[in-house]
Amino acid sequence: GAVVSQHPSWVICKSGTSVKIECRSLDFQATTMFWYRQFPKQSLMLMATSNEGSKATYEQGVEKDKFLINHASLTLSTLTVTSAHPEDSSFYICSATAGQYEQYFGPGTRLTVT
Amino acid sequence: EDQVTQSPEALRLQEGESSSLNCSYTVSGLRGLFWYRQDPGKGPEFLFTLYSAGEEKEKERLKATLTKKESFLHITAPKPEDSATYLCAVREGGGSEKLVFGKGTKLTVNP
Repeated sequence: GAVVSQHPSWVICKSGTSVKIECRSLDFQATTMFWYRQFPKQSLMLMATSNEGSKATYEQGVEKDKFLINHASLTLSTLTVTSAHPEDSSFYICSATAGQYEQYFGPGTRLTVT
Repeated sequence: EDQVTQSPEALRLQEGESSSLNCSYTVSGLRGLFWYRQDPGKGPEFLFTLYSAGEEKEKERLKATLTKKESFLHITAPKPEDSATYLCAVREGGGSEKLVFGKGTKLTVNP
């Protein structure tokens, strides 16, 4: 149980385009989903927290207009990187939790902006 | 100021050589300390949750313990497949479900 999927697993896009990443909880209803960013050989950096049906809460320094998060249902959250630039290239990971329990992570999405 | 500090940053062991990883924390009102394993290019895999000092949990060759200031992840007779980065995270007091992660310990087990 507690499986979280992400799609796509990797994506390459051109500078200036937008990219959408999906995060799904497959076998449980996620009251809260989180989006992280991880640079090579570094730990996870929380970008935002999203609850179903409400606006996401962004961490300090994360651009809300650049990283659009939608949590449309209890099993789906999406992260859209708008007008992507090479510095947005990174490993994006989502996690999901059903209440105040463990966070279960997706496999991650490798974004490369050329 | 770091709230979660993991040591060592990297650890090399021979197969069968037991050791421990440390995670010290300074958060108040701890509402859970979590251990994850992360393989290169993948998302973290949940291992353990500890809630109170004195608590211990085991899974195969891994055993996690918790005190009021730190947690240890003991690895007994490790195998090469235990090689990974081990991440520690804490959930603070209050209503937030956010986790604060340490920088991880990269474990390499040589055959």
